[in-house]
Amino acid sequence: GIQVEQSPPDLILQEGANSTLRCNFSDSVNNLQWFHQNPWGQLINLFYIPSGTKQNGRLSATTVATERYSLLYISSSQTTDSGVYFCAVGGTASKLTFGTGTRLQVTL
Amino acid sequence: GAVVSQHPSWVICKSGTSVKIECRSLDFQATTMFWYRQFPKQSLMLMATSNEGSKATYEQGVEKDKFLINHASLTLSTLTVTSAHPEDSSFYICSVPLQGHMNTEAFFGQGTRLTVV
Repeated sequence: GIQVEQSPPDLILQEGANSTLRCNFSDSVNNLQWFHQNPWGQLINLFYIPSGTKQNGRLSATTVATERYSLLYISSSQTTDSGVYFCAVGGTASKLTFGTGTRLQVTL
Repeated sequence: GAVVSQHPSWVICKSGTSVKIECRSLDFQATTMFWYRQFPKQSLMLMATSNEGSKATYEQGVEKDKFLINHASLTLSTLTVTSAHPEDSSFYICSVPLQGHMNTEAFFGQGTRLTVV
């Protein structure tokens, strides 16, 4: 099956810093989503982005499908950004394969 | 985005008992829903695809007799963990794909944290 690797696995930032999270996948996909998992476990949809670039406030994402990677940018990080960030990819069947995750901690 | 409601949020049960988890799509009808499991500090793994009107499709290594899935209606899927054991303790979460004109985006329930004692 498809392999999805995320880097870095762990990241500690001071509030206000910027960061880039990366997601590499091993095969072509029809669906790529980024999620933020909060401390209670809920998955918050950040982006649906199988290709191209999108921005939403301090967050933006870019997927280069031909090179099989996606990037999530977080600017001016806040403590509320802490949590685990997952990318997940899928084919035509709507089921997702999740990446290994990046655990982000934003400190004051 | 679509609203998916999962119940209960957490449950503690004794070994040998069964636990039922509900996943409801509140905004739209879904012929397909998905169940995932997440162990502490790990990623989410797909367990099975819940199909309305037919049997669920299980991923390799997932015991279908232990994890019973019933897609009772176009808005409800249930996962029953039968004869639960401590190793079944985990975070279970369902998703519903929202099919749009150009894409299919997955939305997730709040998840259920199961502890078997």
